Amino acid sequence: DAGVIQSPRHEVTEMGQEVTLRCKPISGHNSLFWYRQTMMRGLELLIYFNNNVPIDDSGMPEDRFSAKMPNASFSTLKIQPSEPRDSAVYFCASSPYDEQYFGPGTRLTVT
Amino acid sequence: ELKVEQNPLFLSMQEGKNYTIYCNYSTTSDRLYWYRQDPGKSLESLFVLLSNGAVKQEGRLMASLDTKARLSTLHITAAVHDLSATYFCAASSNTGNQFYFGTGTSLTVIP
Repeated sequence: DAGVIQSPRHEVTEMGQEVTLRCKPISGHNSLFWYRQTMMRGLELLIYFNNNVPIDDSGMPEDRFSAKMPNASFSTLKIQPSEPRDSAVYFCASSPYDEQYFGPGTRLTVT
Repeated sequence: ELKVEQNPLFLSMQEGKNYTIYCNYSTTSDRLYWYRQDPGKSLESLFVLLSNGAVKQEGRLMASLDTKARLSTLHITAAVHDLSATYFCAASSNTGNQFYFGTGTSLTVIP
């Protein structure tokens, strides 16, 4: 298995632009997680899905952030409009139940 | 909400020395995980501890779990420079598939 796949790996955008991050979980895993990591705040859980259904989105910072999982093999995290404080590494992870497998991350820079 | 605390946050140790990283969590959880993150990289799973008294070892690292004390430890034996990284512990709730991460311990092994 190729593991969790995220794209793009790096994204540089200007403030106000829409950003879409993509994740393909490991086949057969029924849970998917989006995390954000910064030096100041550490690793934060943004949202997680179970069987494609959002279970807990309390970590989503504000309405500018949205996440979808239209099917078991694909999820997106969208930021619209983006702001410089959104600059971070965004990780996607998938889980069959008792262990999480992390993707390589997307490094987002908003100027 | 399950809270996870790690200490120390920063650890600088000499090669050849032993040390222990501690992970406390706030409510009942029977599943505890340890991850390693190298600078600029993703999180890599090290250990999955699924029951009270579980002990797992890989090379110079040994992890244990005491669910009664709500404590897990990661013991480093005869540290080498290659172990320099950030180590995270995470606990998952017994009622669901959500994972709660500690703040991480940044380990630097000095030659």
